[in-house]
Amino acid sequence: KAGVTQTPRYLIKTRGQQVTLSCSPISGHRSVSWYQQTPGQGLQFLFEYFSETQRNKGNFPGRFSGRQFSNSRSEMNVSTLELGDSALYLCASSSGTSVFSYNEQFFGPGTRLTVL
Amino acid sequence: GQQVMQIPQYQHVQEGEDFTTYCNSSTTLSNIQWYKQRPGGHPVFLIQLVKSGEVKKQKRLTFQFGEAKKNSSLHITATQTTDVGTYFCAGRIQGAQKLVFGQGTRLTINP
Repeated sequence: KAGVTQTPRYLIKTRGQQVTLSCSPISGHRSVSWYQQTPGQGLQFLFEYFSETQRNKGNFPGRFSGRQFSNSRSEMNVSTLELGDSALYLCASSSGTSVFSYNEQFFGPGTRLTVL
Repeated sequence: GQQVMQIPQYQHVQEGEDFTTYCNSSTTLSNIQWYKQRPGGHPVFLIQLVKSGEVKKQKRLTFQFGEAKKNSSLHITATQTTDVGTYFCAGRIQGAQKLVFGQGTRLTINP
């Protein structure tokens, strides 16, 4: 099975712009989660989707949003970029047959976002 | 807020020495997962613990979940250079079911 894929792998933006990142989960996985990883803050949970519904959300401002499509692919969007948004954005998918299933997560390689 | 504290932040050992990292939560966890991230890589799942007092072993790695389901540990016996990386615990907060990661312990090894 192919692993989790994320596009693009690298991105450079300027302050005030917006960005959309994409994640394709492992085939058959219905749960997708997003994380922000920075040297100072570590791995911070952004949000989690199951079958197109957001089932959990982290403590990030409303500039961070996400969605999941019927084929389980997911996108996250960051509007009005700030310098502090520079980070590695990781997507993870997991198996599970219900919204209450919490199994191991398989991470993608991440998107390295640099905000200038 | 809900936190999972992980210590130590860094650990440098001689090859062959043991290594332990600890996670403590301020709230009860439904389960705890452990991940390893190699330098330049992404987190890779190691194990999940669900039951109070659970102990699981994977070759030289021993994972424990506390009786109160608020703490966990990962112990590596006789480290090898392939063990280099950052080890993260990630706990599911009971009720909220949010996954909260510890800050990670970065392990470096002198061959």
